[in-house]
Amino acid sequence: DGGITQSPKYLFRKEGQNVTLSCEQNLNHDAMYWYRQDPGQGLRLIYYSQIVNDFQKGDIAEGYSVSREKKESFPLTVTSAQKNPTAFYLCASSLTGGGGYTFGSGTRLTVV
Amino acid sequence: AQSVTQPDIHITVSEGASLELRCNYSYGATPYLFWYVQSPGQGLQLLLKYFSGDTLVQGIKGFEAEFKRSQSSFNLRKPSVHWSDAAEYFCAVVPLGGYQKVTFGTGTKLQVIP
Repeated sequence: DGGITQSPKYLFRKEGQNVTLSCEQNLNHDAMYWYRQDPGQGLRLIYYSQIVNDFQKGDIAEGYSVSREKKESFPLTVTSAQKNPTAFYLCASSLTGGGGYTFGSGTRLTVV
Repeated sequence: AQSVTQPDIHITVSEGASLELRCNYSYGATPYLFWYVQSPGQGLQLLLKYFSGDTLVQGIKGFEAEFKRSQSSFNLRKPSVHWSDAAEYFCAVVPLGGYQKVTFGTGTKLQVIP
């Protein structure tokens, strides 16, 4: 079955470390997205990519970086510059014509 | 700027009772409208969507939503709630042609009591 796989499900990071969250999809979707979810704040867009080797900043891109070297993969790096990285991170994909998103099951990142 | 308002943060209903979750949006033109559901610790699942045409749309799990242009609303309904419906529900808005510019509401958490 097609879908989006996020790994790991839980991730712990020490202060000052960079960590990379994985997102892989086999839906043949062109567009991929990273969202951050905090209690009571809904979902906030970090980065999105519409085609390979191209991506744009979302509303809260500071302290994050992404790459899109393959259509199937859109990893997110949370850098040490992100001041408050503890959150639930969701990856999603869609067709470029719209139709709704398909979401992964999320990665919960905790800074220790 | 477009916005989505879900005025109810928490709703509690009895199993078997009817449910209505409210969603209002602010946008210059009629956007695409979506409802998603999220179980604890999981991603979001698309329940239903409205693009055009019939203003009453059917979704998965027995949910439906009605688009009312005059009220800028897209409320989600279910005639009889099951305990497994306990989750958080998100309304989302996308401008025409702007599939990447999704605005999500802040969510309504549904509790179902026996």
